[in-house]
Amino acid sequence: NAGVIQTPRHKVTGKGQEATLWCEPISGHSAVFWYRQTIVQGLEFLTYFRNQAPIDDSGMPKERFSAQMPNQSHSTLKIQSTQPQDSAVYLCASSSRDWGYAEQFFGPGTRLTVL
Amino acid sequence: SQWGEENLQALSIQEGEDVTMNCSYKTYTTVVQWYRQKSGKGPAQLILIRSNEREKRSGRLRATLDTSSQSSSLSITGTLATDTAVYFCATDAGTGGYKVVFGSGTRLL
Repeated sequence: NAGVIQTPRHKVTGKGQEATLWCEPISGHSAVFWYRQTIVQGLEFLTYFRNQAPIDDSGMPKERFSAQMPNQSHSTLKIQSTQPQDSAVYLCASSSRDWGYAEQFFGPGTRLTVL
Repeated sequence: SQWGEENLQALSIQEGEDVTMNCSYKTYTTVVQWYRQKSGKGPAQLILIRSNEREKRSGRLRATLDTSSQSSSLSITGTLATDTAVYFCATDAGTGGYKVVFGSGTRLL
């Protein structure tokens, strides 16, 4: 079991460019989560999917951020017109279910740097 | 914020010592989770403790939960160099478990 896979591990973009982050959840897991980690804000929930359907995106910035899960083997987080304040580590996690406090398994994260 | 402000930011200890980290939360919860994050890795759950358990052990780890004071602690006995990490307490923000709301973390050096 390779765990949750995130690619790329590091991404550097220029201000105004688009960034797409990829996540491959653990096979068989039905729930996929995205979090963002910064020094100032800490770890913040962004959004999650259940069986590929978006369920809660309450943590997503309303503009420029979008997440999709086109199939059960991967999810993407897209940031349009990146800004320096988007610089963070973006973490993906998956779980066998989204209820009953099932353990979430985190990937190593993608460090996004916006210049 | 879900969390109180008395969470310690960093602890520096000698290998072999015991250490206890504390956190307090503002919003009622029936579950507290403790996570560990090593450098370059994502967080990994260590212990999940429910309100009816008060104390839970896993190897060298011991977690407590006091719902009356809305506080939790994580103790590590006989720390090892491999315990160097940031430790987070977390709750679910009343979502029934899917949304993990992390505290600010304690860095153990």
